[in-house]
Amino acid sequence: EADIYQTPRYLVIGTGKKITLECSQTMGHDKMYWYQQDPGMELHLIHYSYGVNSTEKGDLSSESTVSRIRTEHFPLTLESARPSHTSQYLCASSESRRENSDTQYFGPGTRLTVL
Amino acid sequence: KNQVEQSPQSLIILEGKNCTLQCNYTVSPFSNLRWYKQDTGRGPVSLTIMTFSENTKSNGRYTATLDADTKQSSLHITASQLSDSASYICVVSDRGSTLGRLYFGRGTQLTVWP
Repeated sequence: EADIYQTPRYLVIGTGKKITLECSQTMGHDKMYWYQQDPGMELHLIHYSYGVNSTEKGDLSSESTVSRIRTEHFPLTLESARPSHTSQYLCASSESRRENSDTQYFGPGTRLTVL
Repeated sequence: KNQVEQSPQSLIILEGKNCTLQCNYTVSPFSNLRWYKQDTGRGPVSLTIMTFSENTKSNGRYTATLDADTKQSSLHITASQLSDSASYICVVSDRGSTLGRLYFGRGTQLTVWP
């Protein structure tokens, strides 16, 4: 069982609200990721981080922002939620000890519904 | 365009039976291929990882194969159990960037009936 946690697990909010999805890992991994996944569809990378003070946008354009002030913490923020943001958000982390073994460990996910 | 295609999209089998899931990819350059299991409402969990030089890898009742020449992989599940009901996702990594970018398939939804 991976030591990576996400809160809340489920969130239902109204349009225009500001929300922060929390992600924490206790494995000391340097790399962390946020993915968005709709039912029956593939995961899409929306943000990633190589380490503290490092954040990059992923392949899927997202109106969310992230921060990495501490190694173990990688929160995702939506300043003004819209119904189009309704999705499952998965956080992951990894540590590259050797080439070709960069396995990502996923949290349980946050199911976000914006009304 | 780098892609990962999985088949079938969904599969229903009876408990105790075997099944094989397929993954075809066009990702290049190739670094490694992983199979993940994702239970409903949970994050994916890694089952196997194979590099270019490996053509088979087992993890208990799960056996993955890789043919890097034809760019195909399969995941064979032996003596299925009810707890095997989940989505199985094929993930291919390239060597085109420091990140080692991952390409995800849409998964095969497996349902095991008693």
